[in-house]
Amino acid sequence: AQSVAQPEDQVNVAEGNPLTVKCTYSVSGNPYLFWYVQYPNRGLQFLLKYITGDNLVKGSYGFEAEFNKSQTSFHLKKPSALVSDSALYFCAVRDEAGGYNKLIFGAGTRLAVHP
Amino acid sequence: GAGVSQSPSNKVTEKGKDVELRCDPISGHTALYWYRQSLGQGLEFLIYFQGNSAPDKSGLPSDRFSAERTGGSVSTLTIQRTQQEDSAVYLCASSLTGLAGGEGQFFGPGTRLTVL
Repeated sequence: AQSVAQPEDQVNVAEGNPLTVKCTYSVSGNPYLFWYVQYPNRGLQFLLKYITGDNLVKGSYGFEAEFNKSQTSFHLKKPSALVSDSALYFCAVRDEAGGYNKLIFGAGTRLAVHP
Repeated sequence: GAGVSQSPSNKVTEKGKDVELRCDPISGHTALYWYRQSLGQGLEFLIYFQGNSAPDKSGLPSDRFSAERTGGSVSTLTIQRTQQEDSAVYLCASSLTGLAGGEGQFFGPGTRLTVL
């Protein structure tokens, strides 16, 4: 069965430092992977996706994610964190069994960027 | 509209009452999804609509939950005889198609349901 794991409940980073939010996945075929962000009292916003092609995917707000097939990971990264990046981040993988764009989400990682 | 909209933004109800939650997807999006986000939990898939096809109801937690989508646009999620464990944020999302092309889903702001 397809699944996605976010091993960290919370990540704390100082402003200006690089950040990484981890995600690992398990699929039987080629993965379609996504990152979403949820700001307080707002809905989820699409950040980026990996379907095929370059392993480094660039997305909104300066975020990028690196697809690593051998490690079955899709970690979210940003070179220099901002306080405004503080939010809840969700990794998701497409559910192949559904045959459509049904997504399986991780439990989420709360990112706290401190001034 | 410019994005997915949901109403109401907040709903407080008494245990045993029925509630209806509304979702307006992005114009032209044929696929619509409902998710539930409980406190401290991830997103739980509830139901999926694609055009005029039969919906995928595999995520509905009980027969108290139902949803419909009229005219391929607006959707209503109904919870009958609400229970306290139904308290959560209910999120609606839409995408251009439901095909396995991997496009992202666009989410509404959610309806926060509190069952007293």
